[in-house]
Amino acid sequence: AQSVAQPEDQVNVAEGNPLTVKCTYSVSGNPYLFWYVQYPNRGLQFLLKYITGDNLVKGSYGFEAEFNKSQTSFHLKKPSALVSDSALYFCAVRSTSGTYKYIFGTGTRLKVLA
Amino acid sequence: ETGVTQTPRHLVMGMTNKKSLKCEQHLGHNAMYWYKQSAKKPLELMFVYSLEERVENNSVPSRFSPECPNSSHLFLHLHTLQPEDSALYLCASSQSTGVTDTQYFGPGTRLTVL
Repeated sequence: AQSVAQPEDQVNVAEGNPLTVKCTYSVSGNPYLFWYVQYPNRGLQFLLKYITGDNLVKGSYGFEAEFNKSQTSFHLKKPSALVSDSALYFCAVRSTSGTYKYIFGTGTRLKVLA
Repeated sequence: ETGVTQTPRHLVMGMTNKKSLKCEQHLGHNAMYWYKQSAKKPLELMFVYSLEERVENNSVPSRFSPECPNSSHLFLHLHTLQPEDSALYLCASSQSTGVTDTQYFGPGTRLTVL
């Protein structure tokens, strides 16, 4: 069965420090991986995706993610966190053996402290 | 968020009411989706429409009835709901249902069933 795990419910980081939000996945077939961010009372906003090619993917707002096939991970990173990055982050996976579904993780709440 | 809009943003209804949620996408996409987002749970895909044809119904109770009159509009008709149906309902669209296509989400309708 396909699945996505976000092992941390919440991540706290000081403003200006690097941040990492973790995601691991399990699929059959080739994985296609996505990160979304959700601000309070808003829908999900697309940040970046990995389809193929370079394992380091750059996205919106200075975020990037690294695809690691051997560790089946797709961690979201940013070199220097901003207070405005505080939000709920979702990892999602689709695969060539799947249907229309994104399989979403349960989300990680990021708090950036001033 | 002007790409995908949803109305109303908030809705409170009794268990015997009938109401409808509306979604409109301004992105020229051919696929539209309804999701349910409940606290502490992954997003649940409810329905998928491709070129106005329903292609997936994810075991959703019949008290939820979708309608897609054209590729830009999607409705979710609600009747005799239960309190456990209270959630954030998100609409999304994508260019197609292709596995690499990014889905773009609306801001959601916060539904409370009394």
